[in-house]
Amino acid sequence: QSALTQPASVSGSPGQSITISCTGTSSDVGGYNYVSWYQQHPGKAPKLMIYDVSNRPSGVSNRFSGSKSGNTASLTISGLQAEDEADYYCSSYTSSSTPSVFGGGTKLTVL
Amino acid sequence: QVQLVESGGGLVKPGGSLRLSCAASGFTFSDYYMSWIRQAPGKGLEWVSYISSSGSTIYYADSVKGRFTISRDNAKNSLYLQMNSLRAEDTAVYYCARDGIQLDYWGQGTLVTVSS
Repeated sequence: QSALTQPASVSGSPGQSITISCTGTSSDVGGYNYVSWYQQHPGKAPKLMIYDVSNRPSGVSNRFSGSKSGNTASLTISGLQAEDEADYYCSSYTSSSTPSVFGGGTKLTVL
Repeated sequence: QVQLVESGGGLVKPGGSLRLSCAASGFTFSDYYMSWIRQAPGKGLEWVSYISSSGSTIYYADSVKGRFTISRDNAKNSLYLQMNSLRAEDTAVYYCARDGIQLDYWGQGTLVTVSS
């Protein structure tokens, strides 16, 4: 059982926007602005897409944005493209016995 | 450019040992914390272990505590994961990643299969 809860799957059509949620507790998501999002295509290593809740690393499309409200963080992808089809994982710093935790992952399907 | 290259994976019997390595280049290795993350076949990401830049602070996931040992050699720009008493449930692709709270660079991963 993952420490952070994500929907197993989401889908959208090209050009649409989708949002993936990531729910934790006040000991992780709600307590710190250290939420990250990772994109993983099949057979590839994960890629950092968002860090510190809403910051994009250099080279990541501005179609990707992050936000947080209370104990839930969200990743929004606007103007969906076929290449966005992948698994997405959230992660947060945590005050528990380990420094960080992942969500269970969300499979994004572009219809 | 930042590069992380894992090696050392393979097939090992239950109860056996394996040592993974991660060779880093393109950045000042000694300035960064590093982590190992694994992914079982068809499953999600699981953080395994973390080591501070100097090696003085180390954390382990409960699932590997007492069996795995993380270490680093800053002179060789290398990260290691010594895995002992391996179990079938340790079968996974193991990634090393540069850890600045966010994992901003990842290696390509090395597959560890624990099976008799």
